[in-house]
Amino acid sequence: DAKTTQPPSMDCAEGRAANLPCNHSTISGNEYVYWYRQIHSQGPQYIIHGLKNNETNEMASLIITEDRKSSTLILPHATLRDTAVYYCIVDNYGQNFVFGPGTRLSVLP
Amino acid sequence: KAGVTQTPRYLIKTRGQQVTLSCSPISGHRSVSWYQQTPGQGLQFLFEYFSETQRNKGNFPGRFSGRQFSNSRSEMNVSTLELGDSALYLCASSLDGPGGYNSPLHFGNGTRLTVT
Repeated sequence: DAKTTQPPSMDCAEGRAANLPCNHSTISGNEYVYWYRQIHSQGPQYIIHGLKNNETNEMASLIITEDRKSSTLILPHATLRDTAVYYCIVDNYGQNFVFGPGTRLSVLP
Repeated sequence: KAGVTQTPRYLIKTRGQQVTLSCSPISGHRSVSWYQQTPGQGLQFLFEYFSETQRNKGNFPGRFSGRQFSNSRSEMNVSTLELGDSALYLCASSLDGPGGYNSPLHFGNGTRLTVT
């Protein structure tokens, strides 16, 4: 079973920030938080990952709470092309990724 | 840098046949993982190879097998195909194993297998 819980769906207005939450209350100290997204008929695309510090790259920001039991992926200015299923995964070195159902984000014009 | 390449993109087979899918990882990546994606079960881990050795295996029957070559390219084989094997098969590569700060998985766009 997936170690994460995400809302099944979310809407976001184009140009606004999309904040996607993820709960991972049983995360262990050596597990990282990864975010991927999948656009229909394509393979999952890596977005960002982190251990305990907040991370930012050209695609998104990842905010991890101090107790590491939850995180938020932030897409700062959502576009229609950001419409996809977003997966939050926790994993440590050497283990396979367990994908849950993810969050279906719809960016609306 | 070229991404993960999977061939063929689409495949139609008949029940009872066998099929081989191919995956070329990103240059320099030594770990290759395979996943099956279906509407009912979502993304499920099949197996992972590193340096030509199977390092992790998911909960799939023995009809599903794979191998990795010395150049890190990988193949997976499904024998005695069943209708339920119809799925998108995804390959992912990473510098080392999954996890680890510098080793996120990078996925190809998959092979869509239809079993009739």
